[in-house]
Amino acid sequence: DAGITQSPRHKVTETGTPVTLRCHQTENHRYMYWYRQDPGHGLRLIHYSYGVKDTDKGEVSDGYSVSRSKTEDFLLTLESATSSQTSVYFCATQNHDEAFFGQGTRLTVV
Amino acid sequence: AQSVTQLDSQVPVFEEAPVELRCNYSSSVSVYLFWYVQYPNQGLQLLLKYLSGSTLVESINGFEAEFNKSQTSFHLRKPSVHISDTAEYFCAVSAAYSGAGSYQLTFGKGTKLSVIP
Repeated sequence: DAGITQSPRHKVTETGTPVTLRCHQTENHRYMYWYRQDPGHGLRLIHYSYGVKDTDKGEVSDGYSVSRSKTEDFLLTLESATSSQTSVYFCATQNHDEAFFGQGTRLTVV
Repeated sequence: AQSVTQLDSQVPVFEEAPVELRCNYSSSVSVYLFWYVQYPNQGLQLLLKYLSGSTLVESINGFEAEFNKSQTSFHLRKPSVHISDTAEYFCAVSAAYSGAGSYQLTFGKGTKLSVIP
């Protein structure tokens, strides 16, 4: 298995609070991604990174920001959590032709 | 941009019966194609992939998929399913280049395969 660790694995937070999810990899992969998974929607790309300090928006980026200060770490921040951001969040890394996924973070915004 | 359509959201099938999970894609550029599997409460795992070459690709656990460029399809098949195949299956596509610095995947909405004893 690729070494991808997401933390926390579960979190309950209140509406309006900031939340940061962490993804850590040990594979030295250049590309990293944050997806959210919701019933009936599959996986949708939030943000991605193609190198240290190089990031770009995905399909559903509103309300989210990311940072990548080291190759190993990719942080996803919900600036002010809303109930619509209740979801399961997956981090992924990628070499040229295969993506590897973390175990997911289940976030509930109440 | 690419898009993926998985035509069935749920597929129930009896154990040892054959199954086909359908996937169609659209893209203006050449693509790579993937099937991922997700078991309950887990992340996604790569099942098989098409990059180039033979249009028929196989996984180690008996699944196969065939790339059909004219029909823009990449259907997943297994001749005889097992209880342990119960999972959600995602078809995904990426552009076959790295022009924007990313091989980002676009996923279908998933097909839940339920194998009935």
